[in-house]
Amino acid sequence: SQTIHQWPATLVQPVGSPLSLECTVEGTSNPNLYWYRQAAGRGLQLLFYSIGIDQISSEVPQNLSASRPQDRQFILSSKKLLLSDSGFYLCAWNRGYSPLHFGNGTRLTVT
Amino acid sequence: AQTVTQSQPEMSVQEAETVTLSCTYDTSESDYYLFWYKQPPSRQMILVIRQEAYKQQNATENRFSVNFQKAAKSFSLKISDSQLGDAAMYFCAFISNFGNEKLTFGTGTRLTIIP
Repeated sequence: SQTIHQWPATLVQPVGSPLSLECTVEGTSNPNLYWYRQAAGRGLQLLFYSIGIDQISSEVPQNLSASRPQDRQFILSSKKLLLSDSGFYLCAWNRGYSPLHFGNGTRLTVT
Repeated sequence: AQTVTQSQPEMSVQEAETVTLSCTYDTSESDYYLFWYKQPPSRQMILVIRQEAYKQQNATENRFSVNFQKAAKSFSLKISDSQLGDAAMYFCAFISNFGNEKLTFGTGTRLTIIP
């Protein structure tokens, strides 16, 4: 069966520090991969999605970036965090047009 | 671009009663998929139910069912015999069967269950 792992679960970082959130999927190949952000009490905002290695689309201009070094690995990064980067980050995967399967999320607090 | 609208930011229902959450969407496509996700306080996103646009029959999963009105572009979720564990944020989502494979979410409805 397929599983998705996302870490860390919580993170507190000072403004200006770098960020690296990691997501891996097991049990499938060539998944579509997604990073979403959710502000407190709000909906989900799509940040990046990838349909293959070296195929990453950015939805919202910001100081975040994403990379896919391996087929089933998706990394969300920032060189310098802003206060506005605080939120709940969710990684997800699917194949084709199947439902998205989500990781457990990372709660990021930028202080 | 597709949009998904959930016009009810908050809803509440008495335990064991039935509640309906509304969702409308806007698309020029004819072939697509619709989903309802549940996000409990743990913030885990859980798929509740899915509907293929080419199917006329409304999807049902135990106490959860949808009322899919394709012409009206409406996709409501009915929860029967509400239970305390149903308390969560509910998100409606859309994905087109053409072009890119991005899932578009509504802004969510927070459902409270009154004991």
